[in-house]
Amino acid sequence: QVQLVESGGGVVQPGGSLRLSCAASGFTFSSYGMHWVRQAPGKGLEWVAFIRYDGSNKYYADSVKGRFTISRDNSKNTLYLQMNSLRAEDTAVYYCAKDLVAAREIDAFDIWGQGTMVTVSS
Amino acid sequence: AIRMTQSPSSFSASTGDRVTITCRASQGISSYLAWYQQKPGKAPKLLIYAASTLQSGVPSRFSGSGSGTDFTLTISCLQSEDFATYYCQQYYSYPPYTFGQGTKLEIK
Repeated sequence: QVQLVESGGGVVQPGGSLRLSCAASGFTFSSYGMHWVRQAPGKGLEWVAFIRYDGSNKYYADSVKGRFTISRDNSKNTLYLQMNSLRAEDTAVYYCAKDLVAAREIDAFDIWGQGTMVTVSS
Repeated sequence: AIRMTQSPSSFSASTGDRVTITCRASQGISSYLAWYQQKPGKAPKLLIYAASTLQSGVPSRFSGSGSGTDFTLTISCLQSEDFATYYCQQYYSYPPYTFGQGTKLEIK
């Protein structure tokens, strides 16, 4: 069964850091591009970051560029999001999502995790 | 960045109705458009990709059309489980991969 499971969310003070993880199973993780997408409470979906299947390309939303870092460990089938200098506006549910087709950047997101909540508050 | 605008933002319909949601891109995106369904407290679910290709396992009452800048999602005969929020997303020009603001479909 294809599955993504996020972890690492929690409450953090403004300016703090947090690292999210996304454990993948049921598919060849090392063949697929992966994304982080977030959703602030009561709001719509906002794409955050992408990493190519082999880690060679990474893209970020302007709102997180320079503060967040996406990475992956294909030997552990795990995706990460290191979040530094957190702000109140980063408060959201963070989802990891998988590209539909292997080894392709131009793609829809076919599998999503259940999400992990990040709250930035003093 | 390409901006995606959905209409309406919300509306009410009844079981059995045929409904159409529209998504407009601020510039041409060919057919690089996806539709997602999200229910409260749940992750989004891919319904349609490449503007009109039905994702595996999605009921055939869902259909998508369009290319360029104008796209539609149609549900031919609303079922109770279809009441949810729907998002369009472009993946033609990135970063960023942009989503529409969402359309909330409620029971009349």
